[in-house]
Amino acid sequence: DAGITQSPRHKVTETGTPVTLRCHQTENHRYMYWYRQDPGHGLRLIHYSYGVKDTDKGEVSDGYSVSRSKTEDFLLTLESATSSQTSVYFCAISDQTGGAGQPQHFGDGTRLSIL
Amino acid sequence: DQQVKQNSPSLSVQEGRISILNCDYTNSMFDYFLWYKKYPAEGPTFLISISSIKDKNEDGRFTVFLNKSAKHLSLHIVPSQPGDSAVYFCAASGGFQKLVFGTGTRLLVSP
Repeated sequence: DAGITQSPRHKVTETGTPVTLRCHQTENHRYMYWYRQDPGHGLRLIHYSYGVKDTDKGEVSDGYSVSRSKTEDFLLTLESATSSQTSVYFCAISDQTGGAGQPQHFGDGTRLSIL
Repeated sequence: DQQVKQNSPSLSVQEGRISILNCDYTNSMFDYFLWYKKYPAEGPTFLISISSIKDKNEDGRFTVFLNKSAKHLSLHIVPSQPGDSAVYFCAASGGFQKLVFGTGTRLLVSP
């Protein structure tokens, strides 16, 4: 299994509070991604990173920010959590040295509930 | 606008029979297609992929077929096993490894 650790695994918080989720990898992969999974939507890309301090927006980036100060860590921050951000969040990594179509490997997710 | 669609939310199959999961896409710029399997409380696990220059890729019990003219791909599992029971996601890559996922199909394989 790819060495990907997401923390926390579960979190309950209140509307309006900031929340930070962490993704840590031990594979030294260049690319890292944050997705959210919701019923009826599959997985949707929030933000991704293609190197240290290099990040870009995905499909559903509003209300989220990311940071990557080290190769191994990719942080997702909800600046002011809203109930619509209740979801399961997945981190993924990939190494494009294998060329286009290299699969992404996923962590086990963080279940976030915002009350 | 759903660019990748899995129109069957669920599928039930008997052990030993073939499971066929379907996926349709709308964006002709997609150049790679992947299938992932997901168990509850775990992350998706990569199963098999296919490049847009091919029409078939096989890996053990899993075969993916791509029909570019119809913008359709399917995953065949033969023979199906109870351990295959999971949610299967189809995904498409349009460059820079940004994946677009379908909504998933829940497969139940009964003994």
